[in-house]
Order: sequence, then structure tokens, then C-alpha cells
Amino acid sequence: EAQVTQNPRYLITVTGKKLTVTCSQNMNHEYMSWYRQDPGLGLRQIYYSMNVEVTDKGDVPEGYKVSRKEKRNFPLILESPSPNQTSLYFCASSSPGTGGGYTFGSGTRLTVV
Amino acid sequence: GEDVEQSLFLSVREGDSSVINCTYTDSSSTYLYWYKQEPGAGLQLLTYIFSNMDMKQDQRLTVLLNKKDKHLSLRIADTQTGDSAIYFCAESNAMFSGGYNKLIFGAGTRLAVHP
Repeated sequence: EAQVTQNPRYLITVTGKKLTVTCSQNMNHEYMSWYRQDPGLGLRQIYYSMNVEVTDKGDVPEGYKVSRKEKRNFPLILESPSPNQTSLYFCASSSPGTGGGYTFGSGTRLTVV
Repeated sequence: GEDVEQSLFLSVREGDSSVINCTYTDSSSTYLYWYKQEPGAGLQLLTYIFSNMDMKQDQRLTVLLNKKDKHLSLRIADTQTGDSAIYFCAESNAMFSGGYNKLIFGAGTRLAVHP
């Protein structure tokens, strides 16, 4: 089954403790992206990657890092999480010519206390 | 910059039609999308329309695009309880070569279907 898999689904952590949210897709998509969803704000792009070793900032990159060492994986790293990073995070992937049809993961709900 | 706006809440009776509206600001948008998010799930692409089209119909879904007014709507005929979800409007700002699209999302409209 074609899918984007994120782990974990839920995470509660403390301020300053480094964490990684993993994202993997099995569709051989070139393009991957991370979004955060906050009430009343919709989805805002954090980082995106157009291919292996090619990453760039989205609209809200502060406090986040990403890497793209393999085509299928695009982890999101929070080096020193803060409470304002409490949010619902989505990973998505896409391929050229799909009409922009992103495939989304099921989401990771992160709480930073 | 680009902006996408939609009302936050819509309540309809089961069996009626639902119309969810969206406005966007980027006149160079190439594609416009409707995504559905059910509770606890990711976003599912419902349908999309290319910017040179006025209308697209897919079973119970009808998308209307007024490019002059930058207005997009999604009509769901014979709305069912299973249609209760958050619906996101999005527009693509095709900034990249190779056909990749950056999507700009609205805040989402929560559709509640009651008996």
C-alpha cells in the first residue's frame, strides 16, 4: 500500500530534550515536506526537500532541522524543543506531474511541557 | 504574500447540500485543491482543479472556480454523516522546476452534519 509513515503518533516531552520525528514513504517520491497544523492557522510549511541531500526552509523553519540522506526518509529534528512547538505535525510527499497531489502521513501530535 | 481564507465552521442537515467557500490571493495559482481531514487522520486529497477550468464534478463533489474573484467552492451533494470532517482549501504556487508545487493551505472549515 502506497503510504507515508510517521512515528511516533503521539509524543510528550520536556523543554530542551532533543527529539526526532521520523517520516518514510514507499512511493519513490522525490519531493517531501513537513507541515505543522495549529488551530485557526491551517498548515504551515516547516521544511521541504526536492531530492536526496536537497533541503530548504519553508515558512516556519525556526527551531527545526531536517535531513534527506535517503530518498524514502525525511526526519524532522527538534534540537531543543520549546512549548511553542506543541503542535500537530504532518509529513507529505509528492512527485512531478501528479497535479500537486500530496500524500500525507497520519500526523504526530507533539506536546512540549 | 499568498493567502488562503475560508470560514471556520459549517453546519448542515443530513441529505442537504453543503457549500464550502474559499478565497485566495495569488493570481498566478496553477492548481487549487480540496483536502479532507477526518478526526485523528492525515489530509486526504479530495479533488483539484486546474486554474484554466471553471468547474469540475466528481460524483457528489462539485468544484467551482471563479478566477476573476479568486473564489473557490466545494459543493457536496446529499451530505452524509460520514462527510463530517475538516475541509482544507489549498492553492499551489508552482515555484519549482520539475512540476513540484508548494501548497498554501487555508485554516480549514469544520463541517458538522446533523440528523
